[in-house]
Amino acid sequence: EVQLLESGGNLVQPGGSLRLSCAASGFTFSTYGISWVRQAPGKGLEWVSVISGSGGSRYYADSVKGRFTISRDNSKNTVYLQMNSLRAEDTAVYYCARPIFGVVNALDYWGQGTLVTVSS
Amino acid sequence: EIVLTQSPATLSLSPGERATLSCRASQSVSSYLAWYQQKPGQAPRLLIYDASNRATGIPARFSGSGSGTDFTLIISRLEPEDFALYYCQQHNNWPPITFGQGTRLEIK
Repeated sequence: EVQLLESGGNLVQPGGSLRLSCAASGFTFSTYGISWVRQAPGKGLEWVSVISGSGGSRYYADSVKGRFTISRDNSKNTVYLQMNSLRAEDTAVYYCARPIFGVVNALDYWGQGTLVTVSS
Repeated sequence: EIVLTQSPATLSLSPGERATLSCRASQSVSSYLAWYQQKPGQAPRLLIYDASNRATGIPARFSGSGSGTDFTLIISRLEPEDFALYYCQQHNNWPPITFGQGTRLEIK
């Protein structure tokens, strides 16, 4: 059974940092890209970042470019999202999600989400 | 960046009725469009991929159509569990992957 489990969400002050983790199981992890998608309270879905299966390709939304870094450890079946210089507008539930195949595609498996709150 | 515009913003229908949701892209996304359902407190669930293919386990009352810039999700006969938020998403031209703003399907 495919499972994705996010962790690391917390309350952090503006300008602070946080690292989210996405632990995967039930599939050949290194052959799939993994995306992070966020959802601010009461708002829609916003794609944040994606990393290829090998980790060699990484892409970001303009809203987080230069502040967030996506990485993965295929020996641990885990993807990370390092978030620096956090702003109030980064407050959201962060989901990791797996595509049907490849790097980017429709997202057929999602984690349950982890809440990041940026506030003083 | 490709902008996806969903309509209507809110759709009020009764169980048993037919629901038609629209997603329009600011430029062609070919058939690389997906539909998701989201219920309160839950992660999105993939319904349709590549415009018209039902994801695993999705009931046959859900169908998708369209290509290029205009897409439709149809729920043929609404069940009580179908009242939720629906999002479209494109992955033809990325980054960024983009989502529509959502359609809320509510019970009339």
